[in-house]
Amino acid sequence: QSVLTQPPSASGTPGQRVTISCSGSSSTFGSKTVHWYQQLPGTAPKLLIYNNDQRPSGVPDRFSGSKSGTSASLAISGLQSEDEADYYCVTWDDSLSAVVFGGGTKLTVL
Amino acid sequence: EVQLVESGGGLVQPGGSLRLSCAASGFTFSDHWMHWARQAPGRGLEWVATIKTDGSEKYYVDSVKGRFTISRDNAKNSLYLQMNSLSAEDTALYYCVRSILAASSHWGQGTLVTVSS
Repeated sequence: QSVLTQPPSASGTPGQRVTISCSGSSSTFGSKTVHWYQQLPGTAPKLLIYNNDQRPSGVPDRFSGSKSGTSASLAISGLQSEDEADYYCVTWDDSLSAVVFGGGTKLTVL
Repeated sequence: EVQLVESGGGLVQPGGSLRLSCAASGFTFSDHWMHWARQAPGRGLEWVATIKTDGSEKYYVDSVKGRFTISRDNAKNSLYLQMNSLSAEDTALYYCVRSILAASSHWGQGTLVTVSS
């Protein structure tokens, strides 16, 4: 069981807005930032959001992140079929002295 | 172009050892914290180990402590993972990762480790 909790699945239709949550504890999130990865089928993970809400160059602004207290969210607006992937939140846990991933959320575009 | 190329994976018997390597190019290797992460078949991502830029700090997930050793050779732009006492639970695709918690994150394509008799 992961230190960070994500829903195992999420879904939406093209054009919709979907959100994926990531919850942890104060020792996990605390003052630490959260990052999000997208893993398309059969490929290596790709950084989608860093430092809670920043997008690396090349990531469409349809993707946005936020963090409040001990939870974080990834929002995808204008959902597209190519967004169908697994999404992972990740942060540094001070109490474990470890990088911790969420269990991942499989996004299906209906 | 940033490149991380893993090698050294393969089939090993339970209790055996493997040494993974990661050849880095296209960036100043010694400027970045490096990591190993893994993904068991059909499962999620799991962080394995982290090493500081100069090798002075190392961190491991509890399940590999005492069995795995992360190291680096900045002169050779290379990252390593020595894996001992392997078990079936270590079967996974192992990724070499640059800066897993930063904007400069970059992942290799992975090398498959299969532990089976």
